[in-house]
Amino acid sequence: NAGVTQTPKFRILKIGQSMTLQCTQDMNHNYMYWYRQDPGMGLKLIYYSVGAGITDKGEVPNGYNVSRSTTEDFPLRLELAAPSQTSVYFCASRQGLSWANVLTFGAGSRLTVL
Amino acid sequence: AQSVTQLGSHVSVSEGALVLLRCNYSSSVPPYLFWYVQYPNQGLQLLLKYTSAATLVKGINGFEAEFKKSETSFHLTKPSAHMSDAAEYFCAVSEAGGTSYGKLTFGQGTILTVHP
Repeated sequence: NAGVTQTPKFRILKIGQSMTLQCTQDMNHNYMYWYRQDPGMGLKLIYYSVGAGITDKGEVPNGYNVSRSTTEDFPLRLELAAPSQTSVYFCASRQGLSWANVLTFGAGSRLTVL
Repeated sequence: AQSVTQLGSHVSVSEGALVLLRCNYSSSVPPYLFWYVQYPNQGLQLLLKYTSAATLVKGINGFEAEFKKSETSFHLTKPSAHMSDAAEYFCAVSEAGGTSYGKLTFGQGTILTVHP
């Protein structure tokens, strides 16, 4: 049981390039989330999904897009990379909204935009 | 709207000393509260959670936290620090109810350093 898997772990982009951060979970979780973590700022929610085909914006969605075509996958797309998107990105998932369901995090993807 | 404030971005203690990490929250509805720990180059792990049952919550690795509604606080404590406790700790809040969709609002984080 792999849990939440994120790829790549590290990536360097040039300004204006595009890329997709992949997130896959094998726990059949309905709810999935993308957070970004910046030093001294905690984690900020970018986008979330409550099930396949349903996504919504979080606190800091500008410059990002997501899709949820399957229960397992929740990729995060950066269309025109900017230095402000240099951050560590975490994907997370949970089975349902009962608070017995723990939020499971991936190991993170560190992105640098130069 | 909900928010979380962690007092002190860095806390340093000696091994064996009391650990106290402070967290205050604001929420317009009864909150659910969480403490997460992040070890270097890893994702976040849940330490403990408050979901309106007992106000004193015990978590993993000897940590506990007390929900104090009158003070809007949820401070994290551990009686005796161990070197392996060195990590970054995050307090988080979520509103009860289905419309929150499980979204968490995180504090800024507190880096705990443990000295021999």
